[in-house]
Formats: sequence, structure tokens, C-alpha cells
Amino acid sequence: GENVEQHPSTLSVQEGDSAVIKCTYSDSASNYFPWYKQELGKRPQLIIDIRSNVGEKKDQRIAVTLNKTAKHFSLHITETQPEDSAVYFCAAILRDNYGQNFVFGPGTRLSVLP
Amino acid sequence: NAGVTQTPKFQVLKTGQSMTLQCAQDMNHEYMSWYRQDPGMGLRLIHYSVGAGITDQGEVPNGYNVSRSTTEDFPLRLLSAAPSQTSVYFCASSYSSTLAGVGYNEQFFGPGTRLTVL
Repeated sequence: GENVEQHPSTLSVQEGDSAVIKCTYSDSASNYFPWYKQELGKRPQLIIDIRSNVGEKKDQRIAVTLNKTAKHFSLHITETQPEDSAVYFCAAILRDNYGQNFVFGPGTRLSVLP
Repeated sequence: NAGVTQTPKFQVLKTGQSMTLQCAQDMNHEYMSWYRQDPGMGLRLIHYSVGAGITDQGEVPNGYNVSRSTTEDFPLRLLSAAPSQTSVYFCASSYSSTLAGVGYNEQFFGPGTRLTVL
């Protein structure tokens, strides 16, 4: 089955700096890769996603890149702000006989220091 | 739209007790799933459903049962609670769509249920 690894597990950056979180997946059939942000005590919320037919996607200060050959994808946050502090999860979607299952990485706790 | 709702928000059980976690969505999503979240382990899939009457097991199904009699509701039953089931439980729902031939699926999460088993 699918396995998703995520690094680093914790990340501290100064406000205004960039943050990069990397994930690798094992199943070459995976074709959809979302990133979720979870603030303390809240539900995970989708912040950006990428499909296997594109290599990069941007949304203001957030970008995601995908390398299908190497089976890894990364989240890039530029000009970080204190409100970016949260736990970030990557995921890969596995196509199975019924529908779609998500496998999540273990998460990265990002702290943006003022 | 209320989106995905879950009840209760908090629950304390004694070992061996049974209970049902409720999940409902009003977005007419076919796909619904249950995850548990434990520290340092991300979200792990317990059970999922691709439509009324169709359910299947995820990564960690033992000790849990589900059924899907309507599109809107997907309850999770703990038959005999154990301390290892202490966790935060999230229900999620999603639609499927295809863009440029690549199917994808955005999941919407409920607010979660924090369960403690003593």
C-alpha cells in the first residue's frame, strides 16, 4: 500500500523567511497530493493541492512542487507570518477498487517566530 | 450549509463501554471517511464509504464498525472501548471530479471528537 513520509517533523523560522516541507510517497499510481493546515484544536483544512499532470502550483505565498519520477512533493511558504504557525500534513491519494483513500504524512509543526 | 458536523465534541468512556460517534454532511458528498489522529502519527483511516450501503476498511479498522444507510450520515461505533482508542476522531466527506483526465478528491473535515477511554 501507499506510504507517505514527511520531513522535518518540526520547523522554526523567523518571520519573513521561507519554509519548505518535503514529502515522499511510495505508490507511483498516486495522482493527487493535497496539503492540509491544522491549527491547535481545529480541524485540518486544505490549503493547496496538486495533481499528477502538473509540476508546480502557486497560490499567493504558498506553492507546491511535484516530482513524479522521484516520487516526492514539497510545500513552500514564502514571507512567513505568525499566523502560518500550525501543523501541516501532506497526503497522497490511492486509487483502489472502490474509490479513493488518503494516506497522510505524520505532520510538520511549523513555528514562525516574530 | 453546515458542512460536516460531528457529535459529541468530547466524550469520556470506561473500558468496555460502547458508543456511537455521529457524523453528518449536507453537501451531498458520496464519499465519507473516519480518521483517528494521535500525536506524531498524523491521520489514519479507520473506515470509509463510497455511497449509501457501501463501506470498506481502512488502515486501522479493528474495534470499530460503520454503516451508511443514507448519503448524509456515517456513524462510527465503538463496540467495546479500550484505552488504545483514546484519540481525536475526524469525519470527512468529499466529492469526486475530474480535471483534464486526472481524478481528484478534496476532503472536508468535521470539527472532531476528542475521546478518552479510562
